[in-house]
Amino acid sequence: QVQLVESGGGVVQPGRSLRLSCAASGFPFSSYGMHWVRQAPGKGLEWVAIIWYNENKTNYADSVKGRFTVSRDNSKNMLYLQMNRLRVEDTSVYYCARSLEMATIVLDYWGPGTLVTVSS
Amino acid sequence: SYELTQPLSVSVALGQTARITCGGHNIGSRNVHWYQQKPGQAPVLVIYRDNNRPSGIPERLSGSNSGNTATLTIDGAQAGDEADFYCQVWDSSTVVFGGGTKLTV
Repeated sequence: QVQLVESGGGVVQPGRSLRLSCAASGFPFSSYGMHWVRQAPGKGLEWVAIIWYNENKTNYADSVKGRFTVSRDNSKNMLYLQMNRLRVEDTSVYYCARSLEMATIVLDYWGPGTLVTVSS
Repeated sequence: SYELTQPLSVSVALGQTARITCGGHNIGSRNVHWYQQKPGQAPVLVIYRDNNRPSGIPERLSGSNSGNTATLTIDGAQAGDEADFYCQVWDSSTVVFGGGTKLTV
């Protein structure tokens, strides 16, 4: 069965960096795009980034563009999110999710999430 | 950028029908997906491409989409249906979520 497990969250000071990881299993990882989605405490879902299956194409939400970088290692079935110049408002639970393309994009499986707290 | 508007909350009596709306300009021309999120859990896809249920999602949940409004309908609401629900579309190579609706049974 499809499994996604995030790791790497924690407490970090504003301006510092953090890298999140997402371990995927149960499906042909290299054939699927992947997303990062975040949720601030008590708030709604906010899409962060997508990386298509071929690794070369990515896109980001305006709120993280230029600070966050999504990447993947298809040989290890791993997805990453490098977060630089972190801000207090980046505090959220970060989810990785699988991307299903069917004339649209739908996020069909999600991991349990990892909490990132940006605080001095 | 494209915007999706959802009511903050919807209340329904046990066993009755709940309808959660998702508004957007000409949303009927787009594919709309719905997610359910229970407290402390990750979102779960419950409806994709307007009115399709993934495996394991009960038939009590259904979707429709026309004009400027997409709707998630939950028939025979149960206590276990209490959750936040989010609609989503794909627009200009970005994922767009509605603000979310808290369903109270």
